[in-house]
Amino acid sequence: EDQVTQSPEALRLQEGESSSLNCSYTVSGLRGLFWYRQDPGKGPEFLFTLYSAGEEKEKERLKATLTKKESFLHITAPKPEDSATYLCAVQVLGYQKVTFGTGTKLQVIP
Amino acid sequence: EAGVAQSPRYKIIEKRQSVAFWCNPISGHATLYWYQQILGQGPKLLIQFQNNGVVDDSQLPKDRFSAERLKGVDSTLKIQPAKLEDSAVYLCASSLDRGKDHTNEKLFFGSGTQLSVL
Repeated sequence: EDQVTQSPEALRLQEGESSSLNCSYTVSGLRGLFWYRQDPGKGPEFLFTLYSAGEEKEKERLKATLTKKESFLHITAPKPEDSATYLCAVQVLGYQKVTFGTGTKLQVIP
Repeated sequence: EAGVAQSPRYKIIEKRQSVAFWCNPISGHATLYWYQQILGQGPKLLIQFQNNGVVDDSQLPKDRFSAERLKGVDSTLKIQPAKLEDSAVYLCASSLDRGKDHTNEKLFFGSGTQLSVL
C-alpha cells in the first residue's frame, strides 16, 4: 500500500533558525511529489512539484529536494510569516489520485 | 483569476441529519476533487471527477456519502445520514486535466466547509 509519512508532526523555530521538514514515501512508482502550505482556516496552497531523484526547487526561503525514498523541505532563516502547516503529497504512476501526508505544523517565533 | 468557490463556510447539524456542500471550480479545470480533512490530519481524497465522470471514489463511504458533478462544472457532496465522525473540513479542489499519463501538478483548493456533527 502506498504510504506518505511526514516528520516531525510539529516544529517550533526561532526566527532565523534554519531547519528541514521530512516526507518519506513508499509507492509502487512515483509520478510526482508535491509540497503544499496550509494556513489555518484555508485550503492548501501549492508550493512545488518534484519528479525525479536529485531534483531541487526553490522559492524564497524554501527549498525542496527529492531522493528515491524521501523529500526534504529546507527552510532557511525563517520568518514568523512562514508559520503554517506544510503538507507533502504524492501521485503514483498509472493513477491520477493525489495522496497527502499528515503534515508538519511549523511555528516561527519572533 | 477567480479561485475555487465553496459554500457554506460553516455548517452545524445533529447526527442523522443530512447536509450538502457546493463547489464551483476554476473555469476550464476539468478535474475536480473532494477531500475530507479531519483536525490534525492531512486531506483524504473522497472522490475525483474528470469532467462528468468519476475517476476515483474508492475511499467514499457510499452508504452515506454521494457526489455529483453537473455538466462537468459545479459539484455537490452530500452526507445522509451524518455521523459524529463526519465532523471535518470538506475541501474542494480543481486542476487542469492533462490526461491520466500526466502529473496533475497544481491542485487549487477552496477554503473548505467546516462541518460539525453534534
